[in-house]
Order: sequence, then C-alpha cells, then structure tokens
Amino acid sequence: DQQVKQNSPSLSVQEGRISILNCDYTNSMFDYFLWYKKYPAEGPTFLISISSIKDKNEDGRFTVFLNKSAKHLSLHIVPSQPGDSAVYFCAASELGNTDKLIFGTGTRLQVFP
Amino acid sequence: DAGVIQSPRHEVTEMGQEVTLRCKPISGHNSLFWYRQTMMRGLELLIYFNNNVPIDDSGMPEDRFSAKMPNASFSTLKIQPSEPRDSAVYFCASSLISMTRSTDTQYFGPGTRLTVL
Repeated sequence: DQQVKQNSPSLSVQEGRISILNCDYTNSMFDYFLWYKKYPAEGPTFLISISSIKDKNEDGRFTVFLNKSAKHLSLHIVPSQPGDSAVYFCAASELGNTDKLIFGTGTRLQVFP
Repeated sequence: DAGVIQSPRHEVTEMGQEVTLRCKPISGHNSLFWYRQTMMRGLELLIYFNNNVPIDDSGMPEDRFSAKMPNASFSTLKIQPSEPRDSAVYFCASSLISMTRSTDTQYFGPGTRLTVL
C-alpha cells in the first residue's frame, strides 16, 4: 500500500506562473519530508525538505508547505521556468528511522513558454 | 567528486538469465541504497546498507534478488533468474548518515535501465 501518494501524474504550467505539486501521506509516524527532482536519464536530486515541527520551508523559488492535520504537503515553484520541467518525487521518513525514505510515484511537471 | 557511479547504464537480457548491477558510492559516504523505479509504484527502496552491513531488506521482492556490499566502495544487486516483470530502472544512492539530518541527503546515481525479454 502506498504510504506516500502523488495523485497527479502530470502538471502543465505556463512559464512565469506558479506550479503547485501535491503529496499526501498516510503514516502518522512520518516526521521528515523531502522533495526530489528528476530529469530524464538522470538520478533524482534533492530539492528541499521540511521537518514536522515546521509548516513552511522556503529556498529561493521553491517553498514546501506541510499540513500535518491533513497529512498533506505541497511544493510551490514561483515563478516557474522551463528548466523546472522534470519529474518531482515526494518522500518521507519516520522518526527514529531517518535512513529509510518512502517515495511517491512522482509528478511530471512541464513548464511551457 | 564523480558522484555515484552505476554500471551498466542499460541492460537487455532474456528471461531466466542472471543480471548483476553495480554501484560505486560517493567516497566517504557510509550508507548505500538500492531503489527500483516503475510507473506504477514510483521509487521503491529495495535494500540499504550502513557501514557495509545490510540494515533493511524488506523491500527486496523475492529470493531471486540479492545484494552485497563487500567494501565501502562497491555494491552489487543481483537478480537470478530474471523475469520480464523485473524490467525497471534501478537506482543506487549513497549518503553520509549522521545524528543530524542536515548531512544525510541521498545522492543518486544515473540508474540502470533493465529490460528482461
């Protein structure tokens, strides 16, 4: 059973606008969340993370929001750029088991001019 | 640093054959992870090692899969015998696990695309 779910397999956004990628989780023991970005023929690369003690973390154009009560997190990219076109994976780990990341199925983002 | 190195990048084999995937982690990293990526299940953790010792292999699909890490700079994932449903992209990742999460980002290799006919 998928503990981390990304229900939108794809998203298309115009350059300059906001991209919002969503992620839901079922395991209440998760306390650390990450987003990874993957280009074709490359491995995923770490993008941004958030601890469960926070509800927002910002890094340049990228902001991750965490809603623990809803078991939901989202990644906002503002403004979106064509170079952001990639597959984005949401991942989570449990308190006391930080080594083990549980990934979602990914969302393919396409930013068009 | 060259990053995580995986070989081969592509592997095409016939059902029933043995397949061995190889990984060289980033020098100095103490943990190594094997993942499989499929459309249906995304990135699944198969097994991970810490200081060359297998810690969690609960993601290994079945006995046909085995992984070893004979030293800190090399790991293999073996499938014997291979089946068409094993076709996927297999990633290796490494990290430096510490008491603080700020240093335990996982760095992924480019992956091995396996096709079993």
